[in-house]
Amino acid sequence: AQSVTQPDARVTVSEGASLQLRCKYSYSATPYLFWYVQYPRQGLQLLLKYYSGDPVVQGVNSFEAEFSKSNSSFHLQKASVHWSDSAVYFCALSMGYNQGKLIFGQGTKLSIKP
Amino acid sequence: EAAVTQSPRSKVAVTGGKVTLSCHQTNNHDYMYWYRQDTGHGLRLIHYSYVADSTEKGDIPDGYKASRPSQENFSLILELASLSQTAVYFCATGTGSYAEQFFGPGTRLTVL
Repeated sequence: AQSVTQPDARVTVSEGASLQLRCKYSYSATPYLFWYVQYPRQGLQLLLKYYSGDPVVQGVNSFEAEFSKSNSSFHLQKASVHWSDSAVYFCALSMGYNQGKLIFGQGTKLSIKP
Repeated sequence: EAAVTQSPRSKVAVTGGKVTLSCHQTNNHDYMYWYRQDTGHGLRLIHYSYVADSTEKGDIPDGYKASRPSQENFSLILELASLSQTAVYFCATGTGSYAEQFFGPGTRLTVL
């Protein structure tokens, strides 16, 4: 069955440090992958998406993600985090042609230490 | 101006009561979705629709009904609210296929 796993429920990093949030997926066909961010008491906002081509995709606010078919992964990265990056981050997998249904990971809560 | 709006933003309901959550979009998207989010969990799909007057079951439809009277509006109905339905509910829109979805701000529902 299709699934998305985010193995880290919580991650804490210091401001200015680099960041990696992990995402593993299980899907037999070509995956279409997304990273969303949820700030407190708000809806989800798209950070970036991967459809095909270059495995490294750029998103908003200097986030990027790297797709690896061999590892079934789509990890989110940022070179230098800011306190405003504190939020919950969700990885999602799209499946089903013309349905657009998304399967979400459990989310990773990112906290930034000053 | 927000493209996906939800009402109410917060609601307290009694067990066994009827609850209706509403979603309105100005994205002109064919697809609309209802998700629920439980603390510490990701979002799970309840119902979705790709055309007015038609709805489809998602992954967790039990205890919920949906209504899509127009392209712009999509409602989620809890006929007999239960404690286990306490959660945050999100509406989203999209163009289908493998496209990204656009989310509303959510409705926090507490069933007592």
